[in-house]
Amino acid sequence: AQKITQTQPGMFVQEKEAVTLDCTYDTSDPSYGLFWYKQPSSGEMIFLIYQGSYDQQNATEGRYSLNFQKARKSANLVISASQLGDSAMYFCAILHYNFNKFYFGSGTKLNVKP
Amino acid sequence: EAQVTQNPRYLITVTGKKLTVTCSQNMNHEYMSWYRQDPGLGLRQIYYSMNVEATDKGDVPEGYKVSRKEKRNFPLILESPSPNQTSLYFCASRYTGDSTDTQYFGPGTRLTVL
Repeated sequence: AQKITQTQPGMFVQEKEAVTLDCTYDTSDPSYGLFWYKQPSSGEMIFLIYQGSYDQQNATEGRYSLNFQKARKSANLVISASQLGDSAMYFCAILHYNFNKFYFGSGTKLNVKP
Repeated sequence: EAQVTQNPRYLITVTGKKLTVTCSQNMNHEYMSWYRQDPGLGLRQIYYSMNVEATDKGDVPEGYKVSRKEKRNFPLILESPSPNQTSLYFCASRYTGDSTDTQYFGPGTRLTVL
């Protein structure tokens, strides 16, 4: 069964605009963590943001925020004021704390246009 | 500098020739993990380790072995590699703290099995 779904294989956004990358998940574990990672064309995996399932407030890290809607099982990443350097693959992931296993989505390729 | 190192970075080998990919972290993290990345599939967890001498299967463990004899090292062993194990491999170590949880990834190992 698929644990993480990213429905947007590719997206374009104009520089300086905001963009939302979608992520939905499936879990029966009440305790879990949600993560977003960035993978530029150079290949490294860069951690962006984390949200725990019991956290009441949406996580924010600089220009990144995670729109956590627990009832809908969605964890969308919002990037404000896009920059050319934001062009990359973005992966959503879930960690089931009772099983200690990570599952990643298939990724969204974001292109920021000047 | 806090980091996860992997060696080799690139490897071309032939079917059936045993190989080991090393992974080392200098952050004293307990949890370490191996992933493979294939186009369109995101990252899939192969094995993880909660601590020394504590390893467990991830989503795609077939054809792989791991060991965790020391906290800092977590090698991935392919006893008899096959072409379907051609992939990009990442090692990661995980930090958990107050209100945060993240993984630090190594630079990746690109493996080709002929």
